[in-house]
Formats: sequence, structure tokens, C-alpha cells
Amino acid sequence: DTGVSQDPRHKITKRGQNVTFRCDPISEHNRLYWYRQTLGQGPEFLTYFQNEAQLEKSRLLSDRFSAERPKGSFSTLEIQRTEQGDSAMYLCASSFRGSSVYNEQFFGPGTRLTVL
Amino acid sequence: DQQVKQNSPSLSVQEGRISILNCDYTNSMFDYFLWYKKYPAEGPTFLISISSIKDKNEDGRFTVFLNKSAKHLSLHIVPSQPGDSAVYFCAASPGSSGAQKLVFGQGTRLTINP
Repeated sequence: DTGVSQDPRHKITKRGQNVTFRCDPISEHNRLYWYRQTLGQGPEFLTYFQNEAQLEKSRLLSDRFSAERPKGSFSTLEIQRTEQGDSAMYLCASSFRGSSVYNEQFFGPGTRLTVL
Repeated sequence: DQQVKQNSPSLSVQEGRISILNCDYTNSMFDYFLWYKKYPAEGPTFLISISSIKDKNEDGRFTVFLNKSAKHLSLHIVPSQPGDSAVYFCAASPGSSGAQKLVFGQGTRLTINP
């Protein structure tokens, strides 16, 4: 295991369809984050898990979005009834919260979503 | 409300010279700062970080400087190499506890010319 992996890398869907993305973090990492990046912008925080508990959600995460991290390992991000404004790169990151207060986050390659 | 700003969308530097990328922030609660590098079709790659108790951190060709009073940080790359051409993001983390979610700037595209 050399890094964070995400699947699929690309997803094209029609407006109104549901999509689900998967993230596999670095195996010993207990924190997992989802971010969204649109063209010309930096990534924006969506939600965060400590082990299996979802501890924080951004106001960007509407009720059409849901994320899970069963058993504190991989995570899924589902978007229901997709809209064209959901088109973006969805990035997953993980980190290890241990004895050090500050922990860098390591990012996966992202899933690029295009909603037609 | 853009809490982290990178005011230069692009920067062009000759190979072998120093590249200086700048970043400003507004939130005094930020106490951990990171720089990431991003190639097209890839996720951001962690480069270097600094906590608010320091004013400089160095790792090989990369040095990050933090000026807390000015709420400004910069990344110096010396000497610049063609492989350094990428988009660079500055990020800040609010607080040493809690989620430590990252707040990113808009990015600066660095081009190293041979």
C-alpha cells in the first residue's frame, strides 16, 4: 500500500442520476477527509472522519450528499440526484492522528465527475 | 470569504534560479501551514509544512517562511528545476485540535523555463 487510492478516476453521468465514489486511505491512517475542487480553485473541505465516526461536515455538503466510513477503513461518498453544479474533482485525503499535534494530509488522485 | 489567498495565478522562472511563491491568510486561528504541489490529473502532493511556533522550515531545495505578524508565508525553491513546473497550493489548518481541515488558496501555476 503506497498511498491513497480512489475509484473510479472518472465518472460521467446524466443529471438526476446517483453516483458513488470510493476512497481507500493509507492503511494505518485513522483520519479521512473528502474535498471538492472546481476549475481554477483550491480544494474545499466537505467532510471528515475519525475512524468510523463522521465528526464534521461542511455547509457545502447538501442533503443530497452522504458519506460513510464503515469499520474505519475505506470510505464512500454518494451524491443523489446529481446536478450540473456537482461537476468537479472529488479528492480524498488521509492522515494519522497520533502523538504529534500537526499531521499532514496525503491525497488520492481524485475522481473527476462530469454531470451532463 | 477567501481566508487563504495566493494573489499570483502564475509565475515563470528560469531553470537554476530561485522561485518564490507567496500566500496570505486572514484567520488568526490558523496555526499550521502546508504547501502542496499538483500535476494535471493527479491529487495534490505534500511538499513541506510549518507550525506557527516556527518562522522557517527547510527541506532540501524547499524552504517555507512564516511571518505571523503579516499573516504571510512564502515557499522558496532553489535551484528551480523543470520538474518543479506544476500548480502550487498553500493550505492552512485552523487549530491544533479538532478536524484540522485544510483551507486552500487558489493556487499558483509555476513554469520553469530551460
